[in-house]
Formats: sequence, structure tokens, C-alpha cells
Amino acid sequence: SQELEQSPQSLIVQEGKNLTINCTSSKTLYGLYWYKQKYGEGLIFLMMLQKGGEEKSHEKITAKLDEKKQQSSLHITASQPSHAGIYLCGAGPNTGNQFYFGTGTSLTVIP
Amino acid sequence: DAEITQSPRHKITETGRQVTLACHQTWNHNNMFWYRQDLGHGLRLIHYSYGVQDTNKGEVSDGYSVSRSNTEDLPLTLESAASSQTSVYFCASSRGRIYEQYFGPGTRLTVT
Repeated sequence: SQELEQSPQSLIVQEGKNLTINCTSSKTLYGLYWYKQKYGEGLIFLMMLQKGGEEKSHEKITAKLDEKKQQSSLHITASQPSHAGIYLCGAGPNTGNQFYFGTGTSLTVIP
Repeated sequence: DAEITQSPRHKITETGRQVTLACHQTWNHNNMFWYRQDLGHGLRLIHYSYGVQDTNKGEVSDGYSVSRSNTEDLPLTLESAASSQTSVYFCASSRGRIYEQYFGPGTRLTVT
């Protein structure tokens, strides 16, 4: 199976601070997806990365996929309370047919 | 607007009963998925379908079944509910295998 490790498991930051969440795979990723989940709700798609070295941004959130396609990072600049929630990375199917998720990073932003 | 819905949103049932959770999407997506989310385990894939009449087992399929008779719906059935199946269940759909998945709001199931 393809496992995705996320770090840290939880993060508490002061509003305005920058933060980074990492997602690491033991195998080459053929598609890396970032989602955000508000507590008690469904997942919201943020970004998808497919190419080594690819970087995408949406508002104050930037995601990168390394050249080897085994690690991705999600960076939030000047965090706001609205950024609070659980961030999950997911990997699309490559040789297999199953989609996998990391265990998630819980983000709390203190006003 | 296209969407994906799940029903019921909350369900309490007794051990041994059969339970069916509904998932309906209006995006005309070929791919549909069922996950369960538990503390300490994250999201785990139960079953998935790549089209009508196609169903496949995921990581934690024991005790669950699905059927796909049309594009819009993928109901999840618990044949004989067990307390270990108490969880939050999410349905998702995507346009294709390499495309992002869109998630429903979830169903919180409690088996007593």
C-alpha cells in the first residue's frame, strides 16, 4: 500500500504567523491533492500537483511538490482564523486503483 | 449548481441491523467513492466505482457492499451493523482517475 505521512499532526499558531505542513510518501506520487476539512464537515479540495517541482498558489496558501515527487508541502502565509481546520494530503492511483489520504494535520489559529 | 449529497446526515442503529447510506451526485462523474473517517486512522477507502455496474473493494471493505445501477448514485450498505462501524462516512466523486475528488457533507453513523 502507499502510505502518506503528514507532519506535524497538530499545529497551534498565532494569527498572522506563517506555517508549513508536510506530506511524505515512500513511493513516487503520480498526483498529490491537498484538502481542507472544517470540523464536522466534508473535505474541500484545495489544489492538485502532478509534476515534479510544481508549485501552485491559491490566496495565501501555496503547495509544492518536490522534484522526486515524494514530498509535498503546504505553506500558509499570514494565517487567519479562517484557515483553521484539518488539512489532508491525498495521493491518486498510480499502478493500483486506490486513492490514499494522510492522517491529517489539525490547525488552530489563535486570534 | 452541481453537487454531491448524502443522506441521512445522522443515523443511530442497533447492532445486527441492515443500514443503507445514500450518496447522490449531479456532476455526471463516472467515479464515486466511499470513505470512513475515524480518529487515529484518517480517511480510509471502503468501496469505489469507476462507472455503472463497476464496483471495487477498498482498504476496509469487510461488512460493506455497494452497487452502481446509474451514474448518479452509489448507496453503501452495511449488511449487519457492528459497533466497530460507528464512524463518519463520506462519499466522493471525480471526473476521472487523475482528477480531484469532491466530497459530500458526511453521514455520522452510530451503532449501539
